[in-house]
Amino acid sequence: DAMVIQNPRYQVTQFGKPVTLSCSQTLNHNVMYWYQQKSSQAPKLLFHYYDKDFNNEADTPDNFQSRRPNTSFCFLDIRSPGLGDAAMYLCATSRGLAGGSDTQYFGPGTRLTVL
Amino acid sequence: SQKIEQNSEALNIQEGKTATLTCNYTNYSPAYLQWYRQDPGRGPVFLLLIRENEKEKRKERLKVTFDTTLKQSLFHITASQPADSATYLCALGMDTGRRALTFGSGTRLQVQP
Repeated sequence: DAMVIQNPRYQVTQFGKPVTLSCSQTLNHNVMYWYQQKSSQAPKLLFHYYDKDFNNEADTPDNFQSRRPNTSFCFLDIRSPGLGDAAMYLCATSRGLAGGSDTQYFGPGTRLTVL
Repeated sequence: SQKIEQNSEALNIQEGKTATLTCNYTNYSPAYLQWYRQDPGRGPVFLLLIRENEKEKRKERLKVTFDTTLKQSLFHITASQPADSATYLCALGMDTGRRALTFGSGTRLQVQP
């Protein structure tokens, strides 16, 4: 089945220790997104790629970086995790359709714990 | 500033009843609105999309309305079942400019057997 896969599902890191979360997709979608979601809050968009075109949200901290080496894979790098970065990180994809029909397909998320 | 409001309090209903969830927005003129379901510890799953020129959309037991005058969308689940228990998120999007969706924080629905 075509899907969005995130690894690992659970990640524990130490304060200040760099961590990388990965996302892959078999949907061949043009757009890939990274969201941060804290308990009972809305998913907060960090950035997204339309093909190789990187789009950063204005309020995304510099501590968060992303790479998309090819259509299938996208990585989220947190350079120096702080306690406030503990959250669920969601990867999503979409076709990139114009005209508002662009629904998003989410992975299961990676739960990040910062000690 | 742009704001999306969904009832933060959980909605508890009896099995078989109709659940109605509300999504209100301010300082926003979305071209379309989407509803997603999110189970605990999982990613959201797309349910329905409705465009600004559509008043109502249905899919099986689900119905969505979109009132651009009231700046509100209602999401209905008829003949609700315990398996419908989840958090339901609304998301607003534009046709031009900003491509990405903006999500609300969701309303948790609990259907009692």
